[in-house]
Amino acid sequence: DQQVKQNSPSLSVQEGRISILNCDYTNSMFDYFLWYKKYPAEGPTFLISISSIKDKNEDGRFTVFLNKSAKHLSLHIVPSQPGDSAVYFCAAVPNFGNEKLTFGTGTRLTIIP
Amino acid sequence: EPEVTQTPSHQVTQMGQEVILRCVPISNHLYFYWYRQILGQKVEFLVSFYNNEISEKSEIFDDQFSVERPDGSNFTLKIRSTKLEDSAMYFCASGARGSSNYGYTFGSGTRLTVV
Repeated sequence: DQQVKQNSPSLSVQEGRISILNCDYTNSMFDYFLWYKKYPAEGPTFLISISSIKDKNEDGRFTVFLNKSAKHLSLHIVPSQPGDSAVYFCAAVPNFGNEKLTFGTGTRLTIIP
Repeated sequence: EPEVTQTPSHQVTQMGQEVILRCVPISNHLYFYWYRQILGQKVEFLVSFYNNEISEKSEIFDDQFSVERPDGSNFTLKIRSTKLEDSAMYFCASGARGSSNYGYTFGSGTRLTVV
């Protein structure tokens, strides 16, 4: 039962361009969404989050967009840098403060110099 | 920057053996978690722990699994009788509620290989 889906297992983007990573969810009870970045042999590292009461949250080069009616969120990275090459996971919880993060399957982003 | 430390980084065990995975959470955190990632699959929630008891567990976390905070600093995950399908990366996380990122900090993981 994949409640959080990342349909693109991999994405390659030229350095300096925009990277757009997508995530869809099926559980309408999800209320809070997060993006994590993971390098090999390391644990996931928090990047950015968004509450369902917002449709956009920005932090430096990272912006997350939420379309609640479409149950879709996206992470935009601009400009993309070589150090952004990693696996990106979106995650969701039913409400802020809930224990359990439900993760997507991840998208491997490769930035081409 | 404070870290969550996990040991060992890699554990190889025979099927049917018991394993204990160890974690040292961030010192002022009160919420502790175990997640796992089978190779090529998503990161999955196993269990959360607060105030010396399990607060939530997933269907994966059956009777073969247990967690403990034996001495106020370590947080351990025990698998009583390992199966081949327990082979995965196991991530410990600790958290402080109320922050924008859940205050979740993950450790680097223990790669468990059951042979």
